[in-house]
Amino acid sequence: QITLKESGPTLVKPTQTLTLTCTFSGFSLSTSGVGVGWVRQPPGKALEWLTLMYWDNYKRNSPSLKSRLTITKDTSKNQVVLTMTNMDPVDTATYYCVHSILYSYGPDVFDIWGQGTKVTVSS
Amino acid sequence: SYELTQPPSVSVSPGQTASITCSGYELGEKYACWFQQKPGQSPVLVIYQDSKRPSGIPERFSGSNSGKTVTLTISGTQAMDEADYYCQVWDNSAVVFGGGTKLTVL
Repeated sequence: QITLKESGPTLVKPTQTLTLTCTFSGFSLSTSGVGVGWVRQPPGKALEWLTLMYWDNYKRNSPSLKSRLTITKDTSKNQVVLTMTNMDPVDTATYYCVHSILYSYGPDVFDIWGQGTKVTVSS
Repeated sequence: SYELTQPPSVSVSPGQTASITCSGYELGEKYACWFQQKPGQSPVLVIYQDSKRPSGIPERFSGSNSGKTVTLTISGTQAMDEADYYCQVWDNSAVVFGGGTKLTVL
């Protein structure tokens, strides 16, 4: 059974850097075709993709946010870490960690989601 | 940047068929996923690669891609299907979500 759980601060101040950790189980991020990514959702609004880390260390970032995002993995700890710099109140959202899988054809599919963690940006 | 357009809301009577559309440029050349999100919960994948159902998703959920529009169809809609639904595709190595559709079962 695949599970993912997000952890990190619930409150950050404007201009600070947000660091969130996704701790997962039930799969290995060294397995071909597997990825772990991040999606966020501001209160009452739609989902927004942030970034995705693949088993082979390849990364994809949202074009609109890529200058602020860093994603890293620690395969031995089954963790993926997201850092987002220069936080602003508009970044207030629930941040989800997601498992992605690449099938024999077609693009990656976000098949399992974590429970999400709420982050508020306020002074 | 690429955009996916969904109707903000759709209403359906219990037992009837609900159709939720998602439109975008050259959508027929992409594979779409659909996610269900109930209040206070994480999204759940209900359709991938346009029309495939993950294990555990009821057969009443189906998907199609007609070129400019992808459609999520829920046959015999139940009260438990009331939720927000999001379409999603990949475009130029980036993930794009639709704005979401609130399905009301009344």
